[in-house]
Amino acid sequence: NAGVTQTPKFQVLKTGQSMTLQCAQDMNHNSMYWYRQDPGMGLRLIYYSASEGTTDKGEVPNGYNVSRLNKREFSLRLESAAPSQTSVYFCASSVSRSRETQYFGPGTRLLVL
Amino acid sequence: DQQVKQNSPSLSVQEGRISILNCDYTNSMFDYFLWYKKYPAEGPTFLISISSIKDKNEDGRFTVFLNKSAKHLSLHIVPSQPGDSAVYFCAASSGSGGGADGLTFGKGTHLIIQP
Repeated sequence: NAGVTQTPKFQVLKTGQSMTLQCAQDMNHNSMYWYRQDPGMGLRLIYYSASEGTTDKGEVPNGYNVSRLNKREFSLRLESAAPSQTSVYFCASSVSRSRETQYFGPGTRLLVL
Repeated sequence: DQQVKQNSPSLSVQEGRISILNCDYTNSMFDYFLWYKKYPAEGPTFLISISSIKDKNEDGRFTVFLNKSAKHLSLHIVPSQPGDSAVYFCAASSGSGGGADGLTFGKGTHLIIQP
């Protein structure tokens, strides 16, 4: 059981480049989430998917898009990266939405120059 | 406006003693609270949770206390061990589903266990 996996672990982008962060879970969870963590801050919700086929905005969605490819996979796309998107990105999953423990992946460190 | 606050950025405790980490919240709709532990370069790992219908939950060395009237919760670690040195995040969610789902996190407290 790998839990939640994320690729890549680390990425450097130039301003304006695009990239997709991948996330997969093998726990048969229905809900998946993308968070970002900035220095000295807690994690902030970017987007979530309550169930396969649905996605919704979180607290800080601007500059991002998501795709719930199937029950296992939830990707986060930066169409035109900006230095303000330099952060550590965490994917998480839970059995269902709300009042459920979320389990996190190891994170992707993204540096935008 | 921060809805979950951890006012101590860091805390130093001697090995074997009790560690008490505090968390305050402002949103009355929160009804489920969690503590996560995070080591550098790793994702947060779930530690313990508590529902708003309870005031205490215990799991081994970890106990979480919830005071709803004060909108305050605390995590007690007894006895503290060197491996407990990490950043601890308090998180909350509202089961109503109003607004975005997901967890609202505090900024974290860096716990350092001194030998």
